Amino acid sequence: EDQVTQSPEALRLQEGESSSLNCSYTVSGLRGLFWYRQDPGKGPEFLFTLYSAGEEKEKERLKATLTKKESFLHITAPKPEDSATYLCAVAQDGNNRLAFGKGNQVVVIP
Amino acid sequence: GAVVSQHPSRVICKSGTSVKIECRSLDFQATTMFWYRQFPKQSLMLMATSNEGSKATYEQGVEKDKFLINHASLTLSTLTVTSAHPEDSSFYICSVGGGNTDTQYFGPGTRLTVL
Repeated sequence: EDQVTQSPEALRLQEGESSSLNCSYTVSGLRGLFWYRQDPGKGPEFLFTLYSAGEEKEKERLKATLTKKESFLHITAPKPEDSATYLCAVAQDGNNRLAFGKGNQVVVIP
Repeated sequence: GAVVSQHPSRVICKSGTSVKIECRSLDFQATTMFWYRQFPKQSLMLMATSNEGSKATYEQGVEKDKFLINHASLTLSTLTVTSAHPEDSSFYICSVGGGNTDTQYFGPGTRLTVL
């Protein structure tokens, strides 16, 4: 059974204080690992898809990396508008179903 | 990415009534749509996968007779919660996928409250 564990569960950052979110996963044959951002009361917003170990993707202040066991979402010099819950999900080979972690709730304080 | 809408965004109903939620893919031919449920402070749980023109595949523990899914076209899937009860109150979110992309794009969600 696919398992996705995200840590820390909640994180408070000062504006400008860089940090990293962790997503550990176990899956038989990774088809893809996905990062989403979710604001309260809204659906998840797609951020990144990573397919193989060593892959990295960047978007503004966010950078996602992938190893064979985990993924990191690095937030560089965060701003208050980066406050959200960040969700990690994995899809198994031969399967397009996503298994989600519980999320990292990030609050950036001005 | 694909643009997905849901209607209604919020619904309140009495216990025992049925509620239909629509999910539309506005700019993408969605061969596959997914329905998720999210309880407060919890992550998304996949309920079912629907493929256009065929029966939905339900996850273990999800009652197919209670959560009716119809995916009659490449742009529309509906979820009907039949005989809703307070424990069905949740945030229901659909996503679209398929084609050449592994990525799922999500709708804005529907907040269901059953009194």
